[in-house]
Amino acid sequence: DAGVTQSPTHLIKTRGQQVTLRCSPKSGHDTVSWYQQALGQGPQFIFQYYEEEERQRGNFPDRFSGHQFPNYSSELNVNALLLGDSALYLCASSPSGGVSVVGTQYFGPGTRLLVL
Amino acid sequence: KQEVTQIPAALSVPEGENLVLNCSFTDSAIYNLQWFRQDPGKGLTSLLLIQSSQREQTSGRLNASLDKSSGRSTLYIAASQPGDSATYLCAVNDYKLSFGAGTTVTVRA
Repeated sequence: DAGVTQSPTHLIKTRGQQVTLRCSPKSGHDTVSWYQQALGQGPQFIFQYYEEEERQRGNFPDRFSGHQFPNYSSELNVNALLLGDSALYLCASSPSGGVSVVGTQYFGPGTRLLVL
Repeated sequence: KQEVTQIPAALSVPEGENLVLNCSFTDSAIYNLQWFRQDPGKGLTSLLLIQSSQREQTSGRLNASLDKSSGRSTLYIAASQPGDSATYLCAVNDYKLSFGAGTTVTVRA
């Protein structure tokens, strides 16, 4: 089992550009959550996808959007990048039931985004 | 809004000493609480998960307690080793994970 995988590992963009980050969940998991972790801080919840729909959303602007595919993999899109979007973006997967899941959430290695 | 606080922000101890990491949260309506380890520039590794109905969870040298009514959890690491040096994050699950800022631990050989 490869666990949660994310691509790319690193990315450099300039202000105003758009970026797409990808996540493949752990085998058997159908719920994917995305988090943003700024340097020196804990991760902040962006949104969660289940059954190809955004089920929950944190306090992030509409510039942040996502998608989940039938194979449960997910994308995070960020438009009109700002310097403050520079962070480690983490994807986590969990088994069916996402919201009240009793099991562990498994995290990928993250994508480090630098906006210049 | 759930607020999660971890104290201390940083900790440095000699090898062999026991570690005590604290986590507090403001809203006790949680499903569970997880402790994670994060190495520099890396993702998160789950250490322990405590369900809201549980008081304690143990794995090897790690023991975590949960007092939901007072909004507190403590992670104990016995007989620390240099390999335990990392940032430790606690997160409460109230439909999403809300994280503290972490405690950065350095174990000196």
